[in-house]
Amino acid sequence: GESVGLHLPTLSVQEGDNSIINCAYSNSASDYFIWYKQESGKGPQFIIDIRSNMDKRQGQRVTVLLNKTVKHLSLQIAATQPGDSAVYFCAERGNTDKLIFGTGTRLQVFP
Amino acid sequence: SAVISQKPSRDICQRGTSLTIQCQVDSQVTMMFWYRQQPGQSLTLIATANQGSEATYESGFVIDKFPISRPNLTFSTLTVSNMSPEDSSIYLCSVARTGSLGYTFGSGTRLTVV
Repeated sequence: GESVGLHLPTLSVQEGDNSIINCAYSNSASDYFIWYKQESGKGPQFIIDIRSNMDKRQGQRVTVLLNKTVKHLSLQIAATQPGDSAVYFCAERGNTDKLIFGTGTRLQVFP
Repeated sequence: SAVISQKPSRDICQRGTSLTIQCQVDSQVTMMFWYRQQPGQSLTLIATANQGSEATYESGFVIDKFPISRPNLTFSTLTVSNMSPEDSSIYLCSVARTGSLGYTFGSGTRLTVV
C-alpha cells in the first residue's frame, strides 16, 4: 500500500531517546499552532497545540516550543517508542480560520 | 471532539470520470474544510465549505474541477471532476467550531485514477 511521507525529511532515532522535530511557519499573524501525527493509511491525529501567547506547552511525553521571533515551532517527544513512528506535521492558523500545514517530517524509531 | 465519517475510504476510477466524496459529522460544526494530500506530501487546503453558499477556494483550485456542497452543519461533499492520473491523492475532510481550538480530520479518501 501507499506510504505517507515518502518524500519528506526523515528523522531516525533509537528507541528510548528523545526526538525533536522542527517546523518553520510563514505567517507572523498566526495565533494558534497544532502538531499532528499521521500514520500510514490514516488521517492526521491531534498531538498537542499552543496559542501564540505562550512559548511552551507540555503534554504526556510531548512538549511544544514556540519561538515567535524566528517563527519556529518544535515538537519534543520524550523516550521515543516504536509506536511514535509516523509522519509529523505542524499547522498554523492565521488571521482567518483556515489551518495551513507545514512540510512534515517522517520519524523512524529503531530498536 | 467531533467524529467524522468520510466515504468512500478508497476508490479506483477511470480517467475522465468524476467521484463524489462525502463527509458526515456527528454534531453541528461551523467550519468544514477539504484538503488534498498528494503522495508523499503534506496537506494542501482546497477550499472552505460554506453552509448555504458557494465554497471559498484556495489559489490553484477552482469550482469547476472541485465542486463542493454543504447543505447543512453536519454534511459536505467534494466532487473531483473529469479526473486525470494527477488527481490521484488522499482527500481529507476537516471540521472545527468557531471559537474552539480543535480541528478534527476524517480518515481520508484514497483516490487512484487510472
